[in-house]
Amino acid sequence: DVVMTQSPLSLPVTLGQPASISCRSSQSLVYSDGNTYLNWFQQGPGQSPRRLIYKVSNRDSGVPDRFSGSGSGTNFTLKISRVEAEDVGVYYCMQGTHWPPWTFGQGTKVEIK
Amino acid sequence: EVQVVESGGGLVQPGGSLRLSCAASGFTFSSHSMNWVRQAPGKGLEWISYISSYSSTIHYADSVKGRFTISRDNAKNSLYLQMNSLRAEDTAVYYCAGGWSFESWGQGTLVTVSS
Repeated sequence: DVVMTQSPLSLPVTLGQPASISCRSSQSLVYSDGNTYLNWFQQGPGQSPRRLIYKVSNRDSGVPDRFSGSGSGTNFTLKISRVEAEDVGVYYCMQGTHWPPWTFGQGTKVEIK
Repeated sequence: EVQVVESGGGLVQPGGSLRLSCAASGFTFSSHSMNWVRQAPGKGLEWISYISSYSSTIHYADSVKGRFTISRDNAKNSLYLQMNSLRAEDTAVYYCAGGWSFESWGQGTLVTVSS
């Protein structure tokens, strides 16, 4: 199974400042069709998960452009250019290349300092 | 508007059974694969089962294989999870996640396995 490792696990940030979350996979996430199936999800306090980013860098509809995804192979990053109060929550990366199983990272908790 | 709504959770004794349902709307259900994902209290997300659009392909996580059964009824736009031989470690919020890339999630339904 592909192991997804996120860092940091806790990320205190100042409002208006940037934030960055790393996600590493135990093997390359490049699929045979040339795509890389790496998603990012946001889970606000008491809420269900919501997909933010798919295939590394594609934002879902309605996701603010302060969120961006990047990376390749085994190393991926989610960046928030300027953190807002509504961004508080836990962020998960997930791989959909080597399945089953689909595997998630441990989650990174973003909180305001 | 795309919507998935889970139901059927509750308190069940160890060794018992429960059937979860997920009602989908706002998209062509029969064209999309579906998943069940769970989240134990205070823990992260765990994928547990997948079913393709016409049920031809089904997968389970090792943690539930042989105990849980996923199914769907495209005529009713519904997804199901039959859970048997439940254990304390199955206690979690169970989410229905629509699409091969997990694009749509419900609010979840809580399953508590306890005597």
